[in-house]
Amino acid sequence: NAGVTQTPKFQVLKTGQSMTLQCAQDMNHNSMYWYRQDPGMGLRLIYYSASEGTTDKGEVPNGYNVSRLNKREFSLRLESAAPSQTSVYFCASSGGQGRPGADTQYFGPGTRLTVL
Amino acid sequence: GEDVEQSLFLSVREGDSSVINCTYTDSSSTYLYWYKQEPGAGLQLLTYIFSNMDMKQDQRLTVLLNKKDKHLSLRIADTQTGDSAIYFCAESLTGTASKLTFGTGTRLQVTL
Repeated sequence: NAGVTQTPKFQVLKTGQSMTLQCAQDMNHNSMYWYRQDPGMGLRLIYYSASEGTTDKGEVPNGYNVSRLNKREFSLRLESAAPSQTSVYFCASSGGQGRPGADTQYFGPGTRLTVL
Repeated sequence: GEDVEQSLFLSVREGDSSVINCTYTDSSSTYLYWYKQEPGAGLQLLTYIFSNMDMKQDQRLTVLLNKKDKHLSLRIADTQTGDSAIYFCAESLTGTASKLTFGTGTRLQVTL
């Protein structure tokens, strides 16, 4: 049981390049999330998907797109990378059963992205 | 609006108690969480507390909630070197299911 997996672990891009960060979970969770983590700023929600077939913007969606490919997979795309998108990106999932206190979010190990 | 604040750094000696503090601004918070992040890893849930509770204890961890002051704390008894990590508090709001707002994180350093 792998939990939440993310690929790649590390990536270096040049300004203007595009790439997709992949996330998959094997816990049959309904909800999935993408966060970015920057020094001194905690985690900020980029996009989330409350259930298969739905996606919604979070706190910092500009410059990103997402796709909930199926119940297991939720990808994050940078169409034209900028240095301001240098960050650590975390994917998370939760059961989404409508019980927030017990609805723990499980996190992947992160993708460290540098945009030059 | 939603704003969760923490001090950035705490240093304690092994065997002492650690107290990590957090303040939040949104009074409609329903659940408050503590997550731990070890170097190079994702976040791991430590514990959570429902907003109508004052205290929750789980082995070495004690969570105290002062709803009037919107203040949350995490006490770690008998702190060990393995407790060295970044600790995040987070809140979820009524009607937002699992959406969380995270604090900036407190880096706990445990010295011998």
